[in-house]
Amino acid sequence: EAGVTQSPTHLIKTRGQQATLRCSPISGHTSVYWYQQALGLGLQFLLWYDEGEERNRGNFPPRFSGRQFPNYSSELNVNALELEDSALYLCASSPDRVSTGELFFGEGSRLTVL
Amino acid sequence: KQEVTQIPAALSVPEGENLVLNCSFTDSAIYNLQWFRQDPGKGLTSLLLIQSSQREQTSGRLNASLDKSSGRSTLYIAASQPGDSATYLCAVDDYKLSFGAGTTVTVRA
Repeated sequence: EAGVTQSPTHLIKTRGQQATLRCSPISGHTSVYWYQQALGLGLQFLLWYDEGEERNRGNFPPRFSGRQFPNYSSELNVNALELEDSALYLCASSPDRVSTGELFFGEGSRLTVL
Repeated sequence: KQEVTQIPAALSVPEGENLVLNCSFTDSAIYNLQWFRQDPGKGLTSLLLIQSSQREQTSGRLNASLDKSSGRSTLYIAASQPGDSATYLCAVDDYKLSFGAGTTVTVRA
């Protein structure tokens, strides 16, 4: 069974540009979570999508947004990139709709903002 | 706001020694607690999930306990091996997963 897949693996952008990161959950999982892991910092919760709707959002500015498609895959968009947005962005999926449940993570997309 | 703390931040032990990793959290109203392993630059691998009604979970050499009332969990790794070298993260689920900063473990051969 395929795990959570993320693309691209690496992405290099310049300040002010937009970045789009993609995530495909494990088959049968309806919930997708996005986390940011900046260098030297812990994982920070970004967004939670379930059944196409945003269920919860972390303490990030509105230029971080996303969506979930009917096939449960998800996109994370970061507009007006800033240097401090450089981080590993991790996507996770879960079959549980009530609580987070057991999370399964992808390998991440490393975003570098120059 | 849930605060998750992991102590120690780093740990170095000789091969064969048992590892004890601690995790504390401030709000005991949680659904579950999960332990993860992260290798450098990689994603997270789930190790153990403890539901709020459970006291412990075991998988092979790993054992995790949960004392929800005191806001604590401990991950025990028996007979450590160099392959256990990684960062171990605990996360509590209170409608979103809140992570600790992790404990970086080095097992010396």
